[in-house]
Amino acid sequence: GDSVTQMEGPVTLSEEAFLTINCTYTATGYPSLFWYVQYPGEGLQLLLKATKADDKGSNKGFEATYRKETTSFHLEKGSVQVSDSAVYFCALRDWAAGNKLTFGGGTRVLVKP
Amino acid sequence: KAGVTQTPRYLIKTRGQQVTLSCSPISGHRSVSWYQQTPGQGLQFLFEYFSETQRNKGNFPGRFSGRQFSNSRSEMNVSTLELGDSALYLCASSPSTGGLTNEKLFFGSGTQLSVL
Repeated sequence: GDSVTQMEGPVTLSEEAFLTINCTYTATGYPSLFWYVQYPGEGLQLLLKATKADDKGSNKGFEATYRKETTSFHLEKGSVQVSDSAVYFCALRDWAAGNKLTFGGGTRVLVKP
Repeated sequence: KAGVTQTPRYLIKTRGQQVTLSCSPISGHRSVSWYQQTPGQGLQFLFEYFSETQRNKGNFPGRFSGRQFSNSRSEMNVSTLELGDSALYLCASSPSTGGLTNEKLFFGSGTQLSVL
């Protein structure tokens, strides 16, 4: 079945540092890929998405590129802020697997001033 | 436009009881999905409803059930609660105009269920 693997946290950074969260996937079909973010006490919010190979999703300074050859969708941000502290989830949606969202385990990111 | 609304926000039950959680999707959204979030298992798909029909189901026992009403509001029910059912239950809605894989899901803040 489909699965998503992302690096375990917590990841602790200083403000203005570079952030990378690795995400790899296995899928039956040709999935769409997503990054969701969860702030404390809240539900998930879509951060960015990509729907086909070599697409780059971007939002709020975050970027991720759909790499079909390496089945990866790594999240990056060049300069993090304290407000970026949250849990980040990589996910895929695969029509061949029923079109449900399959999530990775989540990576907690803590940015210190 | 109001977001996805889940009620109640917190719930405490004891083993063996049953519970019903409610979700009101964004106006105009026809698809509602439910997810269970736990520290150990992460986010797991429960089921999806579209136009009052269950369109997809995850790997959960029959104690977990749901339904969707004609106004797209959805409820999920868990019967004979177990300690392991303690979790944050998240509801998500989407327009689902064509069942597209790239469609964005809008999540509610969840219902935190504690089973004692």
